[in-house]
Formats: sequence, structure tokens, C-alpha cells
Amino acid sequence: DAKTTQPTSMDCAEGRAANLPCNHSTISGNEYVYWYRQIHSQGPQYIIHGLKNNETNEMASLIITEDRKSSTLILPHATLRDTAVYYCIVRVTQGGSEKLVFGKGTKLTVNP
Amino acid sequence: DVKVTQSSRYLVKRTGEKVFLECVQDMDHENMFWYRQDPGLGLRLIYFSYDVKMKEKGDIPEGYSVSREKKERFSLILESASTNQTSMYLCASTPSAGQPNTGELFFGEGSRLTVL
Repeated sequence: DAKTTQPTSMDCAEGRAANLPCNHSTISGNEYVYWYRQIHSQGPQYIIHGLKNNETNEMASLIITEDRKSSTLILPHATLRDTAVYYCIVRVTQGGSEKLVFGKGTKLTVNP
Repeated sequence: DVKVTQSSRYLVKRTGEKVFLECVQDMDHENMFWYRQDPGLGLRLIYFSYDVKMKEKGDIPEGYSVSREKKERFSLILESASTNQTSMYLCASTPSAGQPNTGELFFGEGSRLTVL
């Protein structure tokens, strides 16, 4: 089962910041939070990941709460091409290895 | 750049046929994964492998098997295809823990299988 919960869908105006929340209340101390997105008909694309510090790269920023039970992905200036399903994922250890279990994600629609 | 290649983008098979979905990665990754994706259900993990000849069941392994004879290749096998296995199948790979970019999954473009 996925260890994260996300809203089913969100809308955002083009040019505005898109803030996508994620709850991961059962996360363990050494588990990273990952964000991926999937544009229609393509494989998922890695966006960013973090442990406890906030992270920023050329695509997005990741804000993790101090208790690590939730995080927010921020797309600072959303464009129409950012319309996609966004997945928040926590790694799970199984059988000596680690796997990423995807939930249903948030469908973000960026409107003109 | 990492490249994960799935052998077929689109396949149409008949009920009861044996189906092979092939996946090859060129970055010497230890871990490889097979997911299926269905509307309203997101991505669900079928099987994964963390080394040659090693495999672990994911969340929905029933009706599937896998083969990892070489590090770069991970095959998904449907011994007797059924209509409820009509889906988009996605292969992914990632380095093992302790290596750079650990946890970042690199996905193939997907294989859309239709079972009639």
C-alpha cells in the first residue's frame, strides 16, 4: 500500500505558483520523499527528492515539515506544460531491497 | 543519459497466449521494476529485482512472472494472458543504495498491452 496521501486533483492559473501537498504521517526517520510527475502517454519523470531539509532544483522546490509528516511540492511559475499527474512517494524496504510504491497522485491542471 | 528501453510500445494478444515484455537499461543499474498502470488506480508494482536472478513480488504479482538472467534485462511474462491484464506496463530502473541518484527511478516509455 502507498504510504502517502494526496488530493485527487488541483487547478492552478498559468504563471502562478502551484503548491501540491502530500501527507506521509508514517514515514520513518531515514526514508526519503520523492516526487514524480507523469504527462499523458509518457513514463513518469523524476522531479525532486528530500529527507528533511528543503530542496530546490531547476524544476521545483520541496518543502518538508519539521516533523516530516507532510511535504509540499512547489512549481513556482506553472505553465500549461506542467499539467500532469504528480506522485508523492516514500521508499519502502522489502526483502533486502527498496522499492517505490506509487499512490494515485494528484492531477494538476494548469489553466490559461 | 540513462536509457530504459521497452521492446514494444503496443501489443495485441489473444486470451491464453504467452506474452513477453522486455526491458533493457544501459546504466548498469542493480534494481529494475515492472509496474502496470490503469485508469483510476495509478501505478501498481508487479515485481522487482535487485540483482541478477533475484526477484521480489510487488503488490500485484498474480498472473505474472519475471526473469532477470542478465543485469541489463528484466522480462515480464504473462504465462496465459487474460483480458484483465489489458493495461499499460512500465519498466523502471535505479542504482542500488549508496550510489549517486539512489531512488531516482528511470522509466521506459511503456508498453500498452491489449488482450482480446
